[in-house]
Amino acid sequence: EAGVAQSPRYKIIEKRQSVAFWCNPISGHATLYWYQQILGQGPKLLIQFQNNGVVDDSQLPKDRFSAERLKGVDSTLKIQPAKLEDSAVYLCASSLDPLAGSPDTQYFGPGTRLTVL
Amino acid sequence: AQSVTQLDSHVSVSEGTPVLLRCNYSSSYSPSLFWYVQHPNKGLQLLLKYTSAATLVKGINGFEAEFKKSETSFHLTKPSAHMSDAAEYFCVVSLMDSNYQLIWGAGTKLIIKP
Repeated sequence: EAGVAQSPRYKIIEKRQSVAFWCNPISGHATLYWYQQILGQGPKLLIQFQNNGVVDDSQLPKDRFSAERLKGVDSTLKIQPAKLEDSAVYLCASSLDPLAGSPDTQYFGPGTRLTVL
Repeated sequence: AQSVTQLDSHVSVSEGTPVLLRCNYSSSYSPSLFWYVQHPNKGLQLLLKYTSAATLVKGINGFEAEFKKSETSFHLTKPSAHMSDAAEYFCVVSLMDSNYQLIWGAGTKLIIKP
């Protein structure tokens, strides 16, 4: 079974530039998550999708971050414009369907390491 | 409010000796608990999970964890450390009342001395 795919693996940009990250979840997984992991910290949830709908985006800085999952499969996370404090690893995860009644395991991709100069 | 506390930011053990990574949680409900491992420059990998079945949970690579409700703890152990165990370990609580979102501990860095 293929895992969660993410690209690119690394990205270096100047502040105020824009950047986009792509994620393809495990086939059949209804739920997709984007996390931000700053060095030395645990992941912080940015947004959770159930199929193509947003379940929770309460911690997404909506003035600069946006995410979409138009067809309920792959997803894109965008930052525009980037700030220095956005330097982090951006992780994508997927799970079957937590709303089915039990907490399904989240499976993580390798992440995208973003450096903002 | 639900929270997770990993009691040690760093743990250093010699190869071949036991490993103990401590985790305490706070939850209004009977929680689901996970341990994830993150090797340098790699993604997060599930080690084990507790979902109200047996209180002693066995995971991959010889790790296990025991759920103790009276102590609100879910400590991770391994009888004999291997060099390949050097990584960051995260204790995680799943919130049943919030779409099963994960609450993450701050992580414990495990250092293995030869």
